[in-house]
Amino acid sequence: KQEVTQIPAALSVPEGENLVLNCSFTDSAIYNLQWFRQDPGKGLTSLLLIQSSQREQTSGRLNASLDKSSGRSTLYIAASQPGDSATYLCAVSSGYALNFGKGTSLLVTP
Amino acid sequence: EAQVTQNPRYLITVTGKKLTVTCSQNMNHEYMSWYRQDPGLGLRQIYYSMNVEVTDKGDVPEGYKVSRKEKRNFPLILESPSPNQTSLYFCASSHREGSNQPQHFGDGTRLSIL
Repeated sequence: KQEVTQIPAALSVPEGENLVLNCSFTDSAIYNLQWFRQDPGKGLTSLLLIQSSQREQTSGRLNASLDKSSGRSTLYIAASQPGDSATYLCAVSSGYALNFGKGTSLLVTP
Repeated sequence: EAQVTQNPRYLITVTGKKLTVTCSQNMNHEYMSWYRQDPGLGLRQIYYSMNVEVTDKGDVPEGYKVSRKEKRNFPLILESPSPNQTSLYFCASSHREGSNQPQHFGDGTRLSIL
């Protein structure tokens, strides 16, 4: 069974810092990997989707990389802002389900 | 606006009283799914549907039923709710699982079973 791990579980940084969130998965036979953002009391918002054949995807200040062979993905956030404070979830698609990590809770302080 | 709509958003009820959480999407998606989110356990899939009249169990299906009579709707049914089903529930949809389309999530339904 696919297991997805996210490190760190929580992170606090001052505004303006660049930061990296990590995600690892145990089975490299994946279709794609998605990064989501979850705000308190809200649903999940898809940030980036990386296909299994791709190495990275970028959207604005976000860049996600995928190394399928080593079972790792990173989400890079440039020039962090207080509005980036949320929980970030990594999810791996191996067919008919998304397997989620438990998330990294990010706090960006002014 | 493309969206996944869940109702109700919040519900407090008692053990054994049947309830249904509705989910509707307006994006003509084939694939729909239900997840529950619990502290320390993350999101786990309950049931999914690849298309109309096609449903299958996820990782934690016990105590739940689903149906997919129409493409846009995928209700989650708790026939006899118990306190261990107290959780935050999410419905999601996409064009086809395994494709390179992102999944869209509803805003969640917080269920409390007393």
